[in-house]
Formats: sequence, C-alpha cells, structure tokens
Amino acid sequence: EAQVTQNPRYLITVTGKKLTVTCSQNMNHEYMSWYRQDPGLGLRQIYYSMNVEVTDKGDVPEGYKVSRKEKRNFPLILESPSPNQTSLYFCASSPHGGSAQYFGPGTRLTVL
Amino acid sequence: KQEVTQIPAALSVPEGENLVLNCSFTDSAIYNLQWFRQDPGKGLTSLLLIQSSQREQTSGRLNASLDKSSGRSTLYIAASQPGDSATYLCAAGGGSEKLVFGKGTKLTVNP
Repeated sequence: EAQVTQNPRYLITVTGKKLTVTCSQNMNHEYMSWYRQDPGLGLRQIYYSMNVEVTDKGDVPEGYKVSRKEKRNFPLILESPSPNQTSLYFCASSPHGGSAQYFGPGTRLTVL
Repeated sequence: KQEVTQIPAALSVPEGENLVLNCSFTDSAIYNLQWFRQDPGKGLTSLLLIQSSQREQTSGRLNASLDKSSGRSTLYIAASQPGDSATYLCAAGGGSEKLVFGKGTKLTVNP
C-alpha cells in the first residue's frame, strides 16, 4: 500500500532532550516536506526537500533540523526541544514539483 | 509574503444541499492551488489540484475553480452528505513544494 508513515505517532518529552521524528514514504517520491499544525495558526511548512541531499527552509524552520540521505526517508530533528514546539507534525511527499502531496497520519508532540 | 484566507471558518448545512467553500490568496504568482480534507485526529487527504494554467478540476461531486487574477479559488460540493463533514483546507503552491495553507473551513452536514 502506497503510504507515508511517521513514528512515533505520539510523544511526550521534556525541554532540551533531543528527539527525532521519522518519516518514510514507499512511493519513490522526490519531494518531501514537514509541517506543523497549531490551533489558530493552521499548517505551516518547516522544511522541504526536493531530492536526496537537497533541503530548504520553509516558513518556520527555527529549532528544527532535517536530513535527506535516502530518497524514502526525511527525519525531523529537534536538537533541544522547547514547549513552544508542542504541536501536531505532518510529513508529506509528492512525486515531483507541483504535484499533489500525500500526507502522513501526524505526530502529536508535547514538550514539557 | 503569500497569505491564504478561507471564509467561512465554519459552515453547517442540511444533507443534500449544494455548497461552496471559498479560498483567497494575496500573491497571484502561484504554481498551483490544492484542496485538502482533514478528518479529526487524522492527516490530510488531497482532494483536487489545480495547476496555475488551469481554471477548474472535477472529481465526483467536487469541483474546484481557480481565478488567479482575482486571487480566488472555490470548492463546490454537490449534494452534500454527512460523510462530507470534515475540515477543508486550501493551499497555494509557490513552486519547489512551498505550500501556504489557509486555516480551513469546518463543514458539518446534518442528516
């Protein structure tokens, strides 16, 4: 089944403890993105990647890192999480630029 | 900077009604316009994608239109059903997968 998977789905952590949210797609898509969704603010793009080793900042990249070493994986790294990074995170992929994006199920992160 | 607005924020209609959801964007230099559906606690499902050179797209009971010059897109849902209840999001694509989302319209279709 073609899908975008994220792990973990739920995570509660403490301020400053490094964490990684994984994202994987099995559709051989070139493009992948990370978003966060917050009440009243909607969905905002954090980072995106156009191919292996090619990444760029979205609208809210501060406090996040990404890497794209393999085409199928696009992990989101929070080196030192803070409470303002408590949010619902979505990973998405698309076959090429300008095509429809496929979203993962989301990761709900709480930083205490 | 691109800004996307969706009005109304919430809409409640009786089953069977035809309805229109609105989306406006400030920068007409978009690459595409996408409509998504989000069910509570779940991810987004892509409904329709309109390239900047297109005027509309149709899928089943859904029809989306795009008017770049006026900075508007509409999503038309025909013969609404309770299963259509969800939050509908539009997103303006600026190329290179840079998407700017509206805050969504929460639709409730009452049996």
